[in-house]
Amino acid sequence: EADIYQTPRYLVIGTGKKITLECSQTMGHDKMYWYQQDPGMELHLIHYSYGVNSTEKGDLSSESTVSRIRTEHFPLTLESARPSHTSQYLCASSPGQNQETQYFGPGTRLLVL
Amino acid sequence: AQSVTQPDIHITVSEGASLELRCNYSYGATPYLFWYVQSPGQGLQLLLKYFSGDTLVQGIKGFEAEFKRSQSSFNLRKPSVHWSDAAEYFCAVGAGSSYKLIFGSGTRLLVRP
Repeated sequence: EADIYQTPRYLVIGTGKKITLECSQTMGHDKMYWYQQDPGMELHLIHYSYGVNSTEKGDLSSESTVSRIRTEHFPLTLESARPSHTSQYLCASSPGQNQETQYFGPGTRLLVL
Repeated sequence: AQSVTQPDIHITVSEGASLELRCNYSYGATPYLFWYVQSPGQGLQLLLKYFSGDTLVQGIKGFEAEFKRSQSSFNLRKPSVHWSDAAEYFCAVGAGSSYKLIFGSGTRLLVRP
């Protein structure tokens, strides 16, 4: 069982607020990922990181930003939340080798009013 | 470009019946293939994966999948479905050395008592 945590699990917030979604893993994995998932839809990669001080944008354009100052921590920030940001955000991590399993956190459900 | 197709949006089976969920992929080289399961409000849990070798792979919870290169398929099977198997199932293909996963749109499994 993978040890990857996301907080908060649920967040309801008003338009224009700044929010940070937390993601932490205790497995020492180099690679971490953020996915956005709308209800009943596939996952879309919005950010990923190969290691400390490495961040890349994913396939789906997102107004969010990420940082990777520590190996175990990969927070996602929205400077000004909008209703269009309402979605589920899933964090994942994988070891630092060739293509292999990604381990997922429980997700954060975000509702922007 | 890599892509994954799960042609069935919903599938309903009776408890105890057999199950097959379809997955077709598009990828130029030998793919890395995954099946994940997502229960309501939860993150994704890995069921099984194929990297190389035996084309029939066994996973957790009694699931198995068969890689068929000629058909570009990686269908998931279970001989006898339990009510607890009701969930969303996602097929994914590894996008080569970039470590990214491309997900299908998912198949929602409903289990009749």
